[in-house]
Amino acid sequence: GESVGLHLPTLSVQEGDNSIINCAYSNSASDYFIWYKQESGKGPQFIIDIRSNMDKRQGQRVTVLLNKTVKHLSLQIAATQPGDSAVYFCAENIGGYSTLTFGKGTMLLVSP
Amino acid sequence: DAGVTQSPTHLIKTRGQQVTLRCSPKSGHDTVSWYQQALGQGPQFIFQYYEEEERQRGNFPDRFSGHQFPNYSSELNVNALLLGDSALYLCASNREIATNEKLFFGSGTQLSVL
Repeated sequence: GESVGLHLPTLSVQEGDNSIINCAYSNSASDYFIWYKQESGKGPQFIIDIRSNMDKRQGQRVTVLLNKTVKHLSLQIAATQPGDSAVYFCAENIGGYSTLTFGKGTMLLVSP
Repeated sequence: DAGVTQSPTHLIKTRGQQVTLRCSPKSGHDTVSWYQQALGQGPQFIFQYYEEEERQRGNFPDRFSGHQFPNYSSELNVNALLLGDSALYLCASNREIATNEKLFFGSGTQLSVL
């Protein structure tokens, strides 16, 4: 089975709300995690990453939280905008070589 | 600075045929990976090329093969196509020197097998 999965397939929010997308992973050996955004007809676009020696990392309007105790990863998007509407994937890597295992994805729908 | 480019963007084949997809990595990148993304699913790792050799491989049959050229560009070949091979094929690149460096993805080739 897949080692990375998501709790919610679709998340609908209003413009300006904060969004939280969750992800569970099962491989405790994973040491690097990435969130990607994929818009229709495009390839995945890097959003933010975090290494296993950290529990939080912030970017522009985005924050990734890593809880290794319960093997849980989340992506927080502040002040969500219609342009944030896309499918979001979490991915994990084990031991270098940048070979990623992706989850199924969560679709984020932002209403104006 | 061009990102990862893939060709063609769309392709239609019939069962049993063979297909070749092409990828040019982002400038400065020397490692190329291929992923298959079925509709409604996350990308699945096929294989990775570095120094013109296949370095790692995911759970895909031998019908899937590849090649990397001295200029770091890459090809993905699929023989004896099956209906289930219909998917978006994504190429990603990164620099080997930077462990766990983020992957840059192309927009993919949409393959339809009829």
